[in-house]
Amino acid sequence: SQQGEEDPQALSIQEGENATMNCSYKTSINNLQWYRQNSGRGLVHLILIRSNEREKHSGRLRVTLDTSKKSSSLLITASRAADTASYFCATDSGGSEKLVFGKGTKLTVNP
Amino acid sequence: GEEVAQTPKHLVRGEGQKAKLYCAPIKGHSYVFWYQQVLKNEFKFLISFQNENVFDETGMPKERFSAKCLPNSPCSLEIQATKLEDSAVYFCASSRDREYSGNTIYFGEGSWLTVV
Repeated sequence: SQQGEEDPQALSIQEGENATMNCSYKTSINNLQWYRQNSGRGLVHLILIRSNEREKHSGRLRVTLDTSKKSSSLLITASRAADTASYFCATDSGGSEKLVFGKGTKLTVNP
Repeated sequence: GEEVAQTPKHLVRGEGQKAKLYCAPIKGHSYVFWYQQVLKNEFKFLISFQNENVFDETGMPKERFSAKCLPNSPCSLEIQATKLEDSAVYFCASSRDREYSGNTIYFGEGSWLTVV
């Protein structure tokens, strides 16, 4: 079963605008990771946030985690056409190490 | 190597034929994972290894799928008697020991399997 559920499913914005994607999950987690997938390509790891962290930054990316609401958000600031991709959140819990993915948000940044 | 290397990139098989996919994890990584992505969105976990030992195989279809990670060899995922619904992108991923990296998992570019 899907653990992470992203919303929106699709997002279309203009270059320079900020993009916010949300992810909700169902069970307790150890870590939550965000990945980007360009069309026809593999997954690129963006950022990992641990369950005891609330916010993390990496360049133009800002991730928040609210464990009480079992949700996370990914903010991309000053978006570029090259940010066009699908974005997935993935969680791991317990001792299995495996990731459970959401269905992704397809982001389109129009030049 | 510094990246997860998967081969082949594309594979076409007739229904009933065997398909075998290979994965070389990042050097120094002890965990290897296989995921199946169908229809460009949903990722399904198949199996994980800790070194050459199966760590978690709860996602593996029991009948036609098998996987190995042997010392000094690429890991492999084999599908016997492929079916149309096996058409998907198969991703391999690897990570260091959990305590070292916080379980950051790095993915390869995937192997596209098309069953016709």
